[in-house]
Amino acid sequence: DAGVIQSPRHEVTEMGQEVTLRCKPISGHNSLFWYRQTMMRGLELLIYFNNNVPIDDSGMPEDRFSAKMPNASFSTLKIQPSEPRDSAVYFCASSTRFLGLAGGDRTDTQYFGPGTRLTVL
Amino acid sequence: QQQVKQSPQSLIVQKGGIPIINCAYENTAFDYFPWYQQFPGKGPALLIAIRPDVSEKKEGRFTISFNKSAKQFSLHIMDSQPGDSATYFCAALGGETSGSRLTFGEGTQLTVNP
Repeated sequence: DAGVIQSPRHEVTEMGQEVTLRCKPISGHNSLFWYRQTMMRGLELLIYFNNNVPIDDSGMPEDRFSAKMPNASFSTLKIQPSEPRDSAVYFCASSTRFLGLAGGDRTDTQYFGPGTRLTVL
Repeated sequence: QQQVKQSPQSLIVQKGGIPIINCAYENTAFDYFPWYQQFPGKGPALLIAIRPDVSEKKEGRFTISFNKSAKQFSLHIMDSQPGDSATYFCAALGGETSGSRLTFGEGTQLTVNP
């Protein structure tokens, strides 16, 4: 298995430009997560999807950020317009959702991609 | 209540030493506690995980100790090696009604000197 695939690995752009990050989850996984990592704030969950449906986007910083998952094998995170404070490493992770003992949805192991290092000048 | 507090922020040990990283949580709905290991330029990777119905779990040189009453858990690395030098994150996952959101600690940068 190729693992979670992210592209590009590095992105340098100028303030005000649109940035699109891409993720291909592990085949068969039905939960997908977008994280942002910075020295100041650590690992932050931005949004996650179950079966291509956004479940929790409370971590999305503001309206400049948007995420889509048009099908089970592809997701995008878009920043428009980008700002220098968006500079960070963005990770995508995927996992398999299963029903917990009480019938609620649960996911356990999340497998992370290699990340996209974004620099906004 | 959703936070996971991790300490220390950084740790330096000699080869063969036993670094210990500690985490504490408040939310009693958490019922799955994974540790992730991250090397520079890579994504975090699951190292070992525990559920609160056991007090200890061991996988190779890595051991999680779990104290449910104190709401604390820790990672021990036996016979540490320079190759273990990485950043370690503890995390916690909510109960059945809390969805799939992993809450991460702040991370511990471990350096194992030769």
